[in-house]
Amino acid sequence: EVQLVESGGGLVKPGGSLRLSCAASGFTFSGYSMNWVRQAPGKGLEWVSSISSSSSYIYYADSVKGRFTISRDNAKNSLYLQMNSLRAEDMALYYCARVDLTGGAFDIWGQGTLVTVSS
Amino acid sequence: SYVLTQPPSVSVAPGKTARITCGGDNVGSKSVHWYQQKPGQAPVLVIYYDTDRPSGIPERFSGSNSGNTATLTVSRVEAGDEADYYCQVWDSSSDHYVFGTGTKVTVL
Repeated sequence: EVQLVESGGGLVKPGGSLRLSCAASGFTFSGYSMNWVRQAPGKGLEWVSSISSSSSYIYYADSVKGRFTISRDNAKNSLYLQMNSLRAEDMALYYCARVDLTGGAFDIWGQGTLVTVSS
Repeated sequence: SYVLTQPPSVSVAPGKTARITCGGDNVGSKSVHWYQQKPGQAPVLVIYYDTDRPSGIPERFSGSNSGNTATLTVSRVEAGDEADYYCQVWDSSSDHYVFGTGTKVTVL
């Protein structure tokens, strides 16, 4: 079964750091670009960051550029998001999502991991 | 930055047709993808590349894209179609993925 499972969310103080992980299974992880998408409570979807299959291409939303770092370990079938200098507005459910092979649609999503930023 | 605008809500009676629009500057030149998100669940891809349906998505779901508007059409609406729907594109000018503002579909 094709599956993405996020972990690493939790409560962090403003200015703090957190590292999210996404474990992939059921498909050839190294062949796909991956993304992080977040959803603040009661709000819509917001794309956060994207990484190509070999990590050659990396993109960030303006709202997180310079604070968040996306990475992957194809040997471990894992995607990561290092989040530094966290703000209240970063509080959200963070999803990892696979991009389909033609590079446009997010065809597989995890269930998300919740990041709470509060003092 | 590129913006996709959706109506906040659409109401439809069971058995009728719901049309959800996604407006953006010359969106017809981009590939639009649509997601359904039910409460407490992750989004699910329902239409990709404007008109294609992933396996397992009912034929009642269809899409179109032209000019400045893309449209997701849900025919013969059922109670189970009640959800939030989001459009999404890749904006090559900014190297950003962009989601629409989202539409809540209510089945009366």
